[in-house]
Amino acid sequence: AQSVTQLDSQVPVFEEAPVELRCNYSSSVSVYLFWYVQYPNQGLQLLLKYLSGSTLVKGINGFEAEFNKSQTSFHLRKPSVHISDTAEYFCAVSESHRGGGGADGLTFGKGTHLIIQP
Amino acid sequence: EPEVTQTPSHQVTQMGQEVILRCVPISNHLYFYWYRQILGQKVEFLVSFYNNEISEKSEIFDDQFSVERPDGSNFTLKIRSTKLEDSAMYFCASSQATYGYTFGSGTRLTVV
Repeated sequence: AQSVTQLDSQVPVFEEAPVELRCNYSSSVSVYLFWYVQYPNQGLQLLLKYLSGSTLVKGINGFEAEFNKSQTSFHLRKPSVHISDTAEYFCAVSESHRGGGGADGLTFGKGTHLIIQP
Repeated sequence: EPEVTQTPSHQVTQMGQEVILRCVPISNHLYFYWYRQILGQKVEFLVSFYNNEISEKSEIFDDQFSVERPDGSNFTLKIRSTKLEDSAMYFCASSQATYGYTFGSGTRLTVV
């Protein structure tokens, strides 16, 4: 079984400053990794995903994440945040051992609330 | 852009009543899922569904839960006898085989 740890429950950042949201995972097999964003009273929107290939993944809204297998991390970064980035961010993992069959459920972290201060 | 549609957006039900949450997945997707998020907590996997049967289910998905794809377009989650602790946001998702999960906007279930 896999697990996801998002150590920071809340991250306050000033507008236009850079931000990094941390995510670590544990799994006994290879994984696929995801970041989702949840704006207030809305559903989950995919920011980016790592399936294979380049360890630096670029997503929507200027976000990127880097997969580090040795550190079992998949931290999310943005060089300059905007007030509209205020939201809950979830890291998620799925085991890839079934060859991408798609049946595996996602295991989510507890989420990080990104608060942008003007 | 294709969307996963969930109805209703908010449902209030009395404890002990049966409730059905409805979802219309993206038409060419093959895998369907239900997740739930209790207020202030993380999103939890409930069940995945493929080829008209359950592929995986979590410990949360006990005998009071069931899923169905009744007509080739809808995907439903039924809770037979709701408990107060079933109050949560329930998300439906669908994907193709390449992990292109798309989530719906959720149904907020309130059990009173």
